[in-house]
Amino acid sequence: SQKIEQNSEALNIQEGKTATLTCNYTNYSPAYLQWYRQDPGRGPVFLLLIRENEKEKRKERLKVTFDTTLKQSLFHITASQPADSATYLCALDKGSNYQLIWGAGTKLIIKP
Amino acid sequence: DSGVTQTPKHLITATGQRVTLRCSPRSGDLSVYWYQQSLDQGLQFLIQYYNGEERAKGNILERFSAQQFPDLHSELNLSSLELGDSALYFCASSVAGEYWDTQYFGPGTRLTVL
Repeated sequence: SQKIEQNSEALNIQEGKTATLTCNYTNYSPAYLQWYRQDPGRGPVFLLLIRENEKEKRKERLKVTFDTTLKQSLFHITASQPADSATYLCALDKGSNYQLIWGAGTKLIIKP
Repeated sequence: DSGVTQTPKHLITATGQRVTLRCSPRSGDLSVYWYQQSLDQGLQFLIQYYNGEERAKGNILERFSAQQFPDLHSELNLSSLELGDSALYFCASSVAGEYWDTQYFGPGTRLTVL
């Protein structure tokens, strides 16, 4: 079955630097991959969606890449700020059944 | 504000009891999803409805049930509660319930079972 791996350890980044988070999956390549942000005690908030035929997607300081050969998506935050500190989740389609599979998330800490 | 509302915000109850969590989706969204998130755990998909019909089922326990009503609001019923059911329960909605749809999450209901 499809599995998602995200860095389980928190990622500490200095303010102003680029933060890069990884989402690896096994088995088949999803048609769509989404990234969400979750703050403690709150519901996830959608950030970006990338399709299998797209190599890269950008939105302001955010960039997502999708490498179907490596079975990996990278999520970048440039010019990081303390307000970017949160847990970032990736989710991808299961290929059927309308269901998304969610990664456990990576906690990002941006230090001033 | 996502436009998805959930009530109640907090719920404290005892083992063996039954509770009902309520969710109102964003205006215009036809699909509702329920998720469970235990402390420091990832999101666990429970169940999805689309326009009143069950569309997908995840790891939902037999003690749990849900439904979506004609006005599209949804309820998640949890019965014979156990300590391990303590968690944040999120409802999300999307326009058409397709896996490329953006899911809009509510603020969650924090359930504590004592």
